[in-house]
Amino acid sequence: ETGVTQTPRHLVMGMTNKKSLKCEQHLGHNAMYWYKQSAKKPLELMFVYSLEERVENNSVPSRFSPECPNSSHLFLHLHTLQPEDSALYLCASSQDLAGGPSEQFFGPGTRLTVL
Amino acid sequence: KQEVTQIPAALSVPEGENLVLNCSFTDSAIYNLQWFRQDPGKGLTSLLLIQSSQREQTSGRLNASLDKSSGRSTLYIAASQPGDSATYLCAVLRGTSYGKLTFGQGTILTVHP
Repeated sequence: ETGVTQTPRHLVMGMTNKKSLKCEQHLGHNAMYWYKQSAKKPLELMFVYSLEERVENNSVPSRFSPECPNSSHLFLHLHTLQPEDSALYLCASSQDLAGGPSEQFFGPGTRLTVL
Repeated sequence: KQEVTQIPAALSVPEGENLVLNCSFTDSAIYNLQWFRQDPGKGLTSLLLIQSSQREQTSGRLNASLDKSSGRSTLYIAASQPGDSATYLCAVLRGTSYGKLTFGQGTILTVHP
């Protein structure tokens, strides 16, 4: 595997389900990100982990719960979602340097549909 | 709050044309600017990254320029091909120790044979 991978690629869930999205980066990076892409809206940053510590949480509802167990893996745990949460969820990684952040590399995304 | 605007929202051109996509941002205190390509239902592919101290970057048929003081960037695509059809996204990175990208809504490009 190379680059940034995400599983599953597609997910359909009911509003009472609990599911998790997984992201893995094979680039040796030290920062990982979750973005949400809804129809007709710009990509929105949800969470940032730098050196496995959450450094940004953009007022995301608590029904989204991120987890970063190590620098290569990032999860997004989903619980009691709403239909408006249906979107493409993208993971990215970068190597944050002493002089500042570097280019972000994106995974293929998970297309989530909430019924 | 940083806002990024891309014009036009959609563009349809015949194969072979040279074209320009525009991006503007409201806060000039950026660390860098990236142009991405997104194919339908897929993730993002980074095309070009311009540091705030740079004026332009080139990769093959693509050339991106940055005028930080006026809050503008352009992506120039030379000799367009049907395979260039995709959504092109502009994103600016603020100057923090970690990446915080703010994206525009994108330009949907269609190149027809």
